[in-house]
Amino acid sequence: KQEVTQIPAALSVPEGENLVLNCSFTDSAIYNLQWFRQDPGKGLTSLLLIQSSQREQTSGRLNASLDKSSGRSTLYIAASQPGDSATYLCAVSSVNYGGSQGNLIFGKGTKLSVKP
Amino acid sequence: EAQVTQNPRYLITVTGKKLTVTCSQNMNHEYMSWYRQDPGLGLRQIYYSMNVEVTDKGDVPEGYKVSRKEKRNFPLILESPSPNQTSLYFCASSTLQQGLRETQYFGPGTRLLVL
Repeated sequence: KQEVTQIPAALSVPEGENLVLNCSFTDSAIYNLQWFRQDPGKGLTSLLLIQSSQREQTSGRLNASLDKSSGRSTLYIAASQPGDSATYLCAVSSVNYGGSQGNLIFGKGTKLSVKP
Repeated sequence: EAQVTQNPRYLITVTGKKLTVTCSQNMNHEYMSWYRQDPGLGLRQIYYSMNVEVTDKGDVPEGYKVSRKEKRNFPLILESPSPNQTSLYFCASSTLQQGLRETQYFGPGTRLLVL
């Protein structure tokens, strides 16, 4: 069964720091991997989606990389700001679980706090 | 404005009383999905649909039903709700490019309490 792990569970950094969030998955046979952010009491906002044939995606201060063979993805946030404080979730669409690429398996998230 | 809407946003009900949570998207997306989010368990997929009249089970489908009669709507039905279905529910949709699911857009969530 596909399992998705995110480490650390929580992270606190001062404003302006560059930081990396980690996501690992046990089965490398995936269709794609997606990063989300969730603000308290709110829904999810999609940040970046990487298809299995891609190595990275960038959007503004965010860069997500994918190493399928090692079962890892990282989300790099440059020059962090207090507004980046949220829980960050990664999710994979697994080839061998769920029957089609419509399924999605989430990690439990990393709660990021950026202090002014 | 492109969006996914869910109704109701908050619901308190009693065990065994059938309920439906509606989900609608205005982006002509093929793919729609339901998730529940629980403390310590994270987000788990309940059901998803790749297109009209095509639905499939996710991780935790027991106790739920769905239907996809129209492209824009994907209601979640709890025929006989139980307290263990108390949760925060999210609906999401995305387009498909060459059969691959693209970025998902999420609704605001429905908080359900079953007494």
